Amino acid sequence: AQRVTQPEKLLSVFKGAPVELKCNYSYSGSPELFWYVQYSRQRLQLLLRHISRESIKGFTADLNKGETSFHLKKPFAQEEDSAMYYCLTVNNAGNMLTFGGGTRLMVKP
Amino acid sequence: DGGITQSPKYLFRKEGQNVTLSCEQNLNHDAMYWYRQDPGQGLRLIYYSQIVNDFQKGDIAEGYSVSREKKESFPLTVTSAQKNPTAFYLCASSRLLGVDSPLHFGNGTRLTVT
Repeated sequence: AQRVTQPEKLLSVFKGAPVELKCNYSYSGSPELFWYVQYSRQRLQLLLRHISRESIKGFTADLNKGETSFHLKKPFAQEEDSAMYYCLTVNNAGNMLTFGGGTRLMVKP
Repeated sequence: DGGITQSPKYLFRKEGQNVTLSCEQNLNHDAMYWYRQDPGQGLRLIYYSQIVNDFQKGDIAEGYSVSREKKESFPLTVTSAQKNPTAFYLCASSRLLGVDSPLHFGNGTRLTVT
């Protein structure tokens, strides 16, 4: 069965510090991986996906198939990055979606 | 302004009553989904629909029912058979069922059953 683990429920860093939100998955196959973000009083929205290999708002995420991880990183955190972050795996057919438990990132001034 | 609308934001019901949560989208998306969120857990898939008049069970479909009579609408009924109905319910849609279509989410409905 698919499983996605985000080991930290809360991550608190100071502005300007590097941040890494961890995501580990178990899946028998090659899933697609995504990061979704929910800012305060806004709806959940797509942040980035692994196949696009793009950087959004300074965030990047590299898929490590050996470690089955898809950690989200940013070298210098900003206060506006404070939000809830969810890691998601999707099978190729798109009918099996598994979210991690979410990590709340707090960036302190 | 396209988007997904869930109503109401908060819903209260007595145990033993069925309750229907509304989800409407004007994004012209074919696929729609219902998720449930409980404290300390990730979002879990209840039902999804790939196209009008079609829907499939997700991971935790027991005690729930859905319909997809119109492309824009995907209401979820929480029946009295659902053992732990109190939760936050999130509706989503995507252009197609598949990894190339990102999910768009509603604002959610918090259901409390006493």
